[in-house]
Amino acid sequence: EAQVTQNPRYLITVTGKKLTVTCSQNMNHEYMSWYRQDPGLGLRQIYYSMNVEVTDKGDVPEGYKVSRKEKRNFPLILESPSPNQTSLYFCASSFSSYEQYFGPGTRLTVT
Amino acid sequence: AQSVAQPEDQVNVAEGNPLTVKCTYSVSGNPYLFWYVQYPNRGLQFLLKYITGDNLVKGSYGFEAEFNKSQTSFHLKKPSALVSDSALYFCAVSRNTGGFKTIFGAGTRLFVKA
Repeated sequence: EAQVTQNPRYLITVTGKKLTVTCSQNMNHEYMSWYRQDPGLGLRQIYYSMNVEVTDKGDVPEGYKVSRKEKRNFPLILESPSPNQTSLYFCASSFSSYEQYFGPGTRLTVT
Repeated sequence: AQSVAQPEDQVNVAEGNPLTVKCTYSVSGNPYLFWYVQYPNRGLQFLLKYITGDNLVKGSYGFEAEFNKSQTSFHLKKPSALVSDSALYFCAVSRNTGGFKTIFGAGTRLFVKA
C-alpha cells in the first residue's frame, strides 16, 4: 500500500529535550515536506526537500532541522524544543510539484 | 510573495444543496492550485488540482473547482452536498520555478446539515 508513515503519532516532552520525528514514504517520490498545523493558521511549511541532500526552508524553519540522506526518509529534528512548537505536524511527499500525499500526523506537546 | 486566502472560516449548507468554498490566491508566474480535505483526526487528502488546461477541473467525491485567472480565484464546488462532506477544506498554491514552496490557506470548515 502506498503510504507516508510518521512516528511517533503522539509525543509529550519537556523544553530543551532533543527529539526526532521520523517520516518515510514508499512511493519513490522525489519531493518531501514538513508542515505544522495550528488552529486558524492552516498548514505552514517548515522545510521541503526536492531530492536526496537537497533541502530548503519553508515559511517557518526556525527551531527545526531536517536531513535527506535517503530518498524515502525525511526526519524532522527539534534540537531544543520550546512550548511554541507544540503543534500537529504533517509529513508529505509528492512526485514533482504535483499533489502531495500526507502522513497521519504527529501531535507534539512541549511543556 | 505567495499567499492564499480562504475568506470564510465556516460554510453551512443543507444536504442536497450546492456548496461553494472560496479561495483566492496571489503568486507570481503560473500557479499550481490544489484543494485538500481533512476529516477529524486524519491527515489531509488530495481532492483536485489545476496545473494547466481547462479552467474547470473535476476531482474526487464529485467535487470540482474553477480556475479564474482574472479574479485569481479557485473556488471549490459541488452540485449536491452530502452530510459526509462535512470536514475541513484547504486551498493551496505552489509554483514549480526553482523550488517547491507551498502555501496553504487557513482552512474552511464545511458543515452539511441533514
